[in-house]
Amino acid sequence: DAKTTQPPSMDCAEGRAANLPCNHSTISGNEYVYWYRQIHSQGPQYIIHGLKNNETNEMASLIITEDRKSSTLILPHATLRDTAVYYCIVRPSGSPSGGYQKVTFGIGTKLQVIP
Amino acid sequence: KAGVTQTPRYLIKTRGQQVTLSCSPISGHRSVSWYQQTPGQGLQFLFEYFSETQRNKGNFPGRFSGRQFSNSRSEMNVSTLELGDSALYLCASSLVPSKETQYFGPGTRLLVL
Repeated sequence: DAKTTQPPSMDCAEGRAANLPCNHSTISGNEYVYWYRQIHSQGPQYIIHGLKNNETNEMASLIITEDRKSSTLILPHATLRDTAVYYCIVRPSGSPSGGYQKVTFGIGTKLQVIP
Repeated sequence: KAGVTQTPRYLIKTRGQQVTLSCSPISGHRSVSWYQQTPGQGLQFLFEYFSETQRNKGNFPGRFSGRQFSNSRSEMNVSTLELGDSALYLCASSLVPSKETQYFGPGTRLLVL
């Protein structure tokens, strides 16, 4: 099972871009990278995901390196409401008929947006 | 479209008791996963259900079990509760397992005394 590593905490000034890194050096070719965030013990909120191409949506951008061993989540203009724990996970492709596979969450990065 | 709902939201039990938590997925979603979150261990995967069958399983003892019904609603059960079972239990649903985006519910906070 692929695992992820993230820095435990980061600070970002309000209005600036927040760049959150994630390493997933053992990722397999058919595994997706997902990002979630969790605000104050609420359920995690989906942000974005990708396979090998860079992705962008209304919340964030995801940059995946060519070798797919790492990725960066970019919040283009961080606000105070973006203060949360950000999780980078790798989802196994797995098929409904496949064997048991673990879904591994990283430790998460606690992002503090500073006024 | 309503999101993932979990009941109850808060629960207090004593050691040795058992507990059943319920999760209703987003309408149309057929896969339900369960996670345990504690301050010391972070977010840990328990199991995933699809079409009433357990498809994926994490490293938890047999005291933790679950099931899924034909309407995709899921329950998880913890028997012989221990103090260390105090945690936020999160349910997530997706259209199908593994490759699809998961959407999380608000969680059930369980306190074992």
